[in-house]
Amino acid sequence: TQLLEQSPQFLSIQEGENLTVYCNSSSVFSSLQWYRQEPGEGPVLLVTVVTGGEVKKLKRLTFQFGDARKDSSLHITAAQPGDTGLYLCAGDRDTGNQFYFGTGTSLTVIP
Amino acid sequence: NAGVTQTPKFRILKIGQSMTLQCAQDMNHNYMYWYRQDPGMGLKLIYYSVGAGITDKGEVPNGYNVSRSTTEDFPLRLELAAPSQTSVYFCASSYSSEQYFGPGTRLTVT
Repeated sequence: TQLLEQSPQFLSIQEGENLTVYCNSSSVFSSLQWYRQEPGEGPVLLVTVVTGGEVKKLKRLTFQFGDARKDSSLHITAAQPGDTGLYLCAGDRDTGNQFYFGTGTSLTVIP
Repeated sequence: NAGVTQTPKFRILKIGQSMTLQCAQDMNHNYMYWYRQDPGMGLKLIYYSVGAGITDKGEVPNGYNVSRSTTEDFPLRLELAAPSQTSVYFCASSYSSEQYFGPGTRLTVT
């Protein structure tokens, strides 16, 4: 069983379009992280959200943590080809111990 | 700062062989983790450690062993390799909720 479900699994869009990736669970998390992974490399941390309802912006990327701390979303405005990659959400229920990863969303931005 | 380093980058094993995947970090992080990543499956936690001398099982520990004799090093041991262990293995370290990953080891068992 997967503790964190991501949707969609695959996404292919044109440059300039907007998109949203979802990360959902029935469990409560102490914090939730978003990572981007490029082929042949390890995931790289984008953001951590810790407070229910929290919204963080990173240039064209907006991250939101659900009020109940069970879900999160990643919104990209005006996608660029450089945004192409695998986006992973991860949550921890006890800080510093076990992290649970979502299944990932593979994003392709076509020039 | 090298961050998290892993060796080897690639390895092919025959069924039944054993090997150790090396992981080292120079950030003085207490927490270290081993994950495996299969296509379309995200990352699954194999083992983790909260400090030197302390290790614990994750979601998928069967067929693996770890040790943590120093803060810097966290090797992962496969004793009897099986085709089901074909995967990409990532080591990570953290000081809180933010993990830093190594470049991965791609392992094929045939």
